[in-house]
Amino acid sequence: DGGITQSPKYLFRKEGQNVTLSCEQNLNHDAMYWYRQDPGQGLRLIYYSQIVNDFQKGDIAEGYSVSREKKESFPLTVTSAQKNPTAFYLCASMSGGLNEQFFGPGTRLTVL
Amino acid sequence: AQTVTQSQPEMSVQEAETVTLSCTYDTSENNYYLFWYKQPPSRQMILVIRQEAYKQQNATENRFSVNFQKAAKSFSLKISDSQLGDTAMYFCAFMRTNAGNNRKLIWGLGTSLAVNP
Repeated sequence: DGGITQSPKYLFRKEGQNVTLSCEQNLNHDAMYWYRQDPGQGLRLIYYSQIVNDFQKGDIAEGYSVSREKKESFPLTVTSAQKNPTAFYLCASMSGGLNEQFFGPGTRLTVL
Repeated sequence: AQTVTQSQPEMSVQEAETVTLSCTYDTSENNYYLFWYKQPPSRQMILVIRQEAYKQQNATENRFSVNFQKAAKSFSLKISDSQLGDTAMYFCAFMRTNAGNNRKLIWGLGTSLAVNP
């Protein structure tokens, strides 16, 4: 089955620790995206990547970092510089032909 | 810069009735895509329907249809014969067609729809 996987579903970390969220897709999509979702704020774009070894900052990149070493993978690191990291994080990929985004199930990060 | 506005934070409808969710957008582009996504309580985002701006015909997908008014920059979603499983957050989104390496969606803040039995 083709799709996007995000792991883990729930993640707990202590304040001051970096944490990496996983996102893998087997849809052969070139573009991948990370969003943060908070109540009442919709989806806010953190980083996106159109091709391997290239990525761009979204609207709220501060305190986050990404890498895109493989087409299938786009991990997101939430660093200790992110002031309020507790949120729901969604990963998506996009097909150039269909021009629609497909989403993973999300990771709920709680920083204690 | 493009913006997407959903003016109804919350809505409710009785099962089997029809409901319309509003979306307006602002852009100077002529070619673009518009989307409605659904996020049920499971939080899995699902594409409901897509409209290409150059197409005059409104998109339909089973019980879901849109009213696309390009001049008015309006893109409403109509859900007919509402079902309990339609209870979800609904997001309207915009994407430029000719975005090159800058293909990204611009999102509205969402409308929370409750379908009541």
